[in-house]
This record gives sequence, C-alpha cells and structure tokens, in this order.
Amino acid sequence: QQPVQSPQAVILREGEDAVINCSSSKALYSVHWYRQKHGEAPVFLMILLKGGEQKGHDKISASFNEKKQQSSLYLTASQLSYSGTYFCGPHRGSTLGRLYFGRGTQLTVWP
Amino acid sequence: NAGVTQTPKFRILKIGQSMTLQCTQDMNHNYMYWYRQDPGMGLKLIYYSVGAGITDKGEVPNGYNVSRSTTEDFPLRLELAAPSQTSVYFCASTDRNQPQHFGDGTRLSIL
Repeated sequence: QQPVQSPQAVILREGEDAVINCSSSKALYSVHWYRQKHGEAPVFLMILLKGGEQKGHDKISASFNEKKQQSSLYLTASQLSYSGTYFCGPHRGSTLGRLYFGRGTQLTVWP
Repeated sequence: NAGVTQTPKFRILKIGQSMTLQCTQDMNHNYMYWYRQDPGMGLKLIYYSVGAGITDKGEVPNGYNVSRSTTEDFPLRLELAAPSQTSVYFCASTDRNQPQHFGDGTRLSIL
C-alpha cells in the first residue's frame, strides 16, 4: 500500500533543480507532500487534488496525474533551506483521511 | 496557537514496562493519528480515530492500544514494552481534505 518514491536521495548545489516522484498502485483521490528536517516533525507543503492540478509554494511546485496514479514535486533554484526528507502521502478517498506515506526522498543542498 | 501537543518528548523504558504517550489538539479536528518512524524510514500508521469513541487499527497496531474519549485527546498506550518499539512517535490531526498537523514527537527508547 505504500507509494514508491524516487529517487531515494538527491544531492544538489544551491540554485539547481530537482524532481521527486511518487507512484501508487492504487487509485488516488489526492496527494499530500510534506518535508521533514532532521529531528523535527513533518511539515505540510501542499495538497494536490484530482484533476491534474498543479500547485506552487514559493519555488516548489507539484503535479498530480490521477490516471497514472503519480505525483511529482518540482524544486526550482534550490535553496539551503530545502534540505530535508520529502514524503508523499497519497490519499485514497475512502479511507477516512488516512495517508499512506512513502519512505521519503532525502534532499541535501550544498552551498 | 498550540496545535498538536505531545508529551513526553523523551522517555526511556525498560523491557516489559508500560506507558502512555499523550496527544492533545486544540483545533477541534475530528481525525487523529498515531505514527511511528524508525530511523531512515517513513511514517507507519499505528492507530487512527475519526471522532470521539471511534478508533481503528492502522498498519502496525500490535503492542499498542488507543482510546478517544474526547475530541481533543488521543493517548497511545504501550503494554509490555519491547526493544522493537524503540522509535519516534508522532501524533497528527486533521479534518477531511486538510493537511495533517503533526506534534513534535516523542522519542522512545526501550532497553
């Protein structure tokens, strides 16, 4: 039931771009994205609802293709503050708010 | 705004001991969740609740119990602690189609 995230880890220089992918084997209602810094709680980034909607948060945006059951997170012109582990949490609609989190993608941004 | 409050923040238990992890939210959310996160891994759902008096098992419920007597509180009980339960525990709350709000976590070691 867990989604598959790729890549598992990314190392970037400040200003470079990255894409994190999330795939599910089940039909999806929405996808949540969270970022977690070491030793801290996950922090919400955005929710993508059905319809292929693309949303943005500063220079971070995401897309959701419900037919392919995939979502991608785009980090543009990365900043040092983007470092952390990114989790996708697909929502299957009928499961009363339950999210099935992936194992995460560890992003490290160097100056 | 307090959000989701977890206590204690750290705890060391001996094998076979029991304890209760406390979680309180002040956002009047119906849905509440308990996750555990092992090092380098994603979040695994232990138990969840969709309202006072209603709870259900998640992916890894063995060795744990919960209750939800009020909208605000969702305590997690560990009976007969085992080393495999060493982990970081996060409580979260939400309403439908909203982000999950996480507490700061409880770091639990069982020796």
